[in-house]
Amino acid sequence: DAKTTQPPSMDCAEGRAANLPCNHSTISGNEYVYWYRQIHSQGPQYIIHGLKNNETNEMASLIITEDRKSSTLILPHATLRDTAVYYCIVAISSGSARQLTFGSGTQLTVLP
Amino acid sequence: GAVVSQHPSRVICKSGTSVKIECRSLDFQATTMFWYRQFPKQSLMLMATSNEGSKATYEQGVEKDKFLINHASLTLSTLTVTSAHPEDSSFYICSALATSGRSSYNEQFFGPGTRLTVL
Repeated sequence: DAKTTQPPSMDCAEGRAANLPCNHSTISGNEYVYWYRQIHSQGPQYIIHGLKNNETNEMASLIITEDRKSSTLILPHATLRDTAVYYCIVAISSGSARQLTFGSGTQLTVLP
Repeated sequence: GAVVSQHPSRVICKSGTSVKIECRSLDFQATTMFWYRQFPKQSLMLMATSNEGSKATYEQGVEKDKFLINHASLTLSTLTVTSAHPEDSSFYICSALATSGRSSYNEQFFGPGTRLTVL
């Protein structure tokens, strides 16, 4: 699986958009970009994933660069409950029972 | 989204005893489940991959005789920490692989975790 690089921590004001970057310069053509988050002392929660097109769901938006070497997770209106460690993971999917490899993630702190 | 439960959520045991942790997929069947371990202020580390009806696959450095995994049904996998010691104290998290009905990808759903403290 391709390795990802994320900043260790970020702050965001409540109500503002949180933009979390991720570099995955060695990503392969059949690898997806997944985002999970982990609130303290809980299991990880799936947020969103994508292959090459930008994706949006009720939680967030995922912007993937055209060369697929980096991506940005956008939480449009961050709340205090969004404070968590956010993990960007690159992995093969679509029928493959491949495990996810978690890196260090980004600790996002939403400030009141 | 799909729900995965773990039981117990928290357990304290004496050194030398064995502890069993259950992971259940509540509203879907999972032929594959994963077990992770997370030490304080660290990321999740995969311990093993559990496949229904077959032996688990352990990651390098994980003792299969110490961490017994049984995946006897499509909705239940168990992790037994045998002869637990204080260094086994950790946050154990399971996940179950589900195929989404809306696309072809396999999505992993995580349990809430089990906090094990060995005295």
